Amino acid sequence: GAGVSQTPSNKVTEKGKYVELRCDPISGHTALYWYRQSLGQGPEFLIYFQGTGAADDSGLPNDRFFAVRPEGSVSTLKIQRTERGDSAVYLCASSYGGPRGDTQYFGPGTRLTVL
Amino acid sequence: AQSVTQPDIHITVSEGASLELRCNYSYGATPYLFWYVQSPGQGLQLLLKYFSGDTLVQGIKGFEAEFKRSQSSFNLRKPSVHWSDAAEYFCALDNYGQNFVFGPGTRLSVLP
Repeated sequence: GAGVSQTPSNKVTEKGKYVELRCDPISGHTALYWYRQSLGQGPEFLIYFQGTGAADDSGLPNDRFFAVRPEGSVSTLKIQRTERGDSAVYLCASSYGGPRGDTQYFGPGTRLTVL
Repeated sequence: AQSVTQPDIHITVSEGASLELRCNYSYGATPYLFWYVQSPGQGLQLLLKYFSGDTLVQGIKGFEAEFKRSQSSFNLRKPSVHWSDAAEYFCALDNYGQNFVFGPGTRLSVLP
């Protein structure tokens, strides 16, 4: 079946602009995660959804970052007033259940470049 | 705080040689541990995971890992490396069922 998909694959924007990154999880997966991966580093947790609600948003760096999952499937990560330090690959993952014990399946990521 | 360290940033091995990638963790309880591989342009793929029981776990592509509580380690091994194994490898732990904590990764290069 189809895996996790993310659009766009690449996004270039200017400092101060607003961006939206989309994630389509595997059908039937209730849990969805967003991570950020900077160059040369491992993925850094941002937020975890169980269904429509954010079960853990402790990784969001500040209030410029926001994510939604209104129907419990597709999720959008929104970044306001982008800064150059936001440049990274944003990864989405989904799993059938919650984090404890369930395999997370990752998408290919969206590479965000803030000029 | 929970953390994962991977002491080797970059490792180079010859094709056919054995491989061991190191992973150490800091965690307040028995951890759930994972190894993922990331090839260029590809998403992270799960190689194997440890929850409990047998401390030697088998994964895909001929990889295995051994959990050693006394050393807080979960090293990844493969007896004979193939050129297609060249990639970035990440060790991760489940942070009390809330999220994952990843290590910084080890880049593996394979010489022909």
